[in-house]
Amino acid sequence: GENVEQHPSTLSVQEGDSAVIKCTYSDSASNYFPWYKQELGKGPQLIIDIRSNVGEKKDQRIAVTLNKTAKHFSLHITETQPEDSAVYFCAASIYGTGGFKTIFGAGTRLFVKA
Amino acid sequence: NAGVTQTPKFRILKIGQSMTLQCTQDMNHNYMYWYRQDPGMGLKLIYYSVGAGITDKGEVPNGYNVSRSTTEDFPLRLELAAPSQTSVYFCASRPMEAGGFSGNTIYFGEGSWLTVV
Repeated sequence: GENVEQHPSTLSVQEGDSAVIKCTYSDSASNYFPWYKQELGKGPQLIIDIRSNVGEKKDQRIAVTLNKTAKHFSLHITETQPEDSAVYFCAASIYGTGGFKTIFGAGTRLFVKA
Repeated sequence: NAGVTQTPKFRILKIGQSMTLQCTQDMNHNYMYWYRQDPGMGLKLIYYSVGAGITDKGEVPNGYNVSRSTTEDFPLRLELAAPSQTSVYFCASRPMEAGGFSGNTIYFGEGSWLTVV
C-alpha cells in the first residue's frame, strides 16, 4: 500500500527565515497531496493542497511543489512567524476500495524562534 | 456549522473498562474516519465509513469497533481498554468526491485524549 515519509521530524528556524518540509510517497497512483497544520491541543487543519496535474501552488507565504517523477512534494513557508509554530503533516490520497484513502506522514514539529 | 464534534475531550479509563467516543458532523459528509495519534507520531487510521450502514477497517482496528447508523454520527467503541490504547483520538469527515476530483479536504474534530491506567 501507499507509504508517506516526511522529513525532518523537527525543524527550528529564526523568525523571518524560510522553512521547508519534504515528503516522499511510494505509490505513483496517488494524485492528491494535502498539507495539514496541527496547533497544540487542536485537530489538524488543511492549509494547502495540490493535485497531481499541477507542479506548484502558492497561497501567500506558503507554497507546495510536486515532482511526480521523483514522487516527492514539499511545503515551503517564507517569512516565518511565531504563529507558524505547529506540527505539519503531509499526506497522499489514493483511490482504493472504499473510495479515496489518505495516508499521512509522521509529521514535522516546526519551532519559529522570535 | 459546528463541523466535527467529539466527546469527551478527556477521559481516564481503567484496564478492562469499556467506553464509547462520540463523534457527530453537521456538514452532511459521506465519509467519516477515526484516527489515533500517539505522542510524537503521525495519524493512524482505525476505522472509516463511506456512508450510513457501511464501515471498514483501517490500519490499526484491533481493540475497537464502530457503527454508522446515520450520516451524522460515527461512534468509536473500546471494549476492553488496554494501556496500548492510550492516545489522542481524532474523528474526521470528508465530502464525497466531486466528479473527476481526486480528493477533498478532511475536516477534523478537536480530539479526545484517552489515558488507560
